[in-house]
Amino acid sequence: NAGVTQTPKFQVLKTGQSMTLQCAQDMNHNSMYWYRQDPGMGLRLIYYSASEGTTDKGEVPNGYNVSRLNKREFSLRLESAAPSQTSVYFCASSEPGDGRMELFFGEGSRLTVL
Amino acid sequence: QKEVEQNSGPLSVPEGAIASLNCTYSDRGSQSFFWYRQYSGKSPELIMFIYSNGDKEDGRFTAQLNKASQYVSLLIRDSQPSDSATYLCAVIDGVSGGSNYKLTFGKGTLLTVNP
Repeated sequence: NAGVTQTPKFQVLKTGQSMTLQCAQDMNHNSMYWYRQDPGMGLRLIYYSASEGTTDKGEVPNGYNVSRLNKREFSLRLESAAPSQTSVYFCASSEPGDGRMELFFGEGSRLTVL
Repeated sequence: QKEVEQNSGPLSVPEGAIASLNCTYSDRGSQSFFWYRQYSGKSPELIMFIYSNGDKEDGRFTAQLNKASQYVSLLIRDSQPSDSATYLCAVIDGVSGGSNYKLTFGKGTLLTVNP
């Protein structure tokens, strides 16, 4: 059982380049999330998708776009990468119920923008 | 936007001691609270959740919630070197009974347990 799978695990980009981070989950969860983690900043929500067909902005959406391709897959796109987007990106999924919420995280994608 | 505040640490305790991690939150209407553990270079994992005032115990871990003071804490008894990690406090943000939930995290507290 793979859980949440992210690709790529590492990527180096030049300023202005574009790329897409892929995320897939095999737990049949309705909700999926993209977070970024920077030193001393904790986890900050970029975008989330409460269910297939819906996406919403989180705390730090500028410079990113997302696509909920189907129930399993949720991708994050950087159209024109900037050094400020150097970070570790985590995809997560969950099946919220009765106010309880366990996020299952992928292993993370480490992105460096030069 | 809900805010969650944690002391970034580092918090250093000797092996066998009680480690106490604290968290405050801004929204008095928040209902559910979560503690995640993150080892260096790894992804976060859920260790406790609590939504009622008082204490909740799970093995060596105890979560404490005081909604009047907007305060949640995590106690780790008999701390072990393997407990050395960053502990993230999180609060749920969403409409009760709906499905549009998300978690807001604090910045985390780095705990080091010294042998």
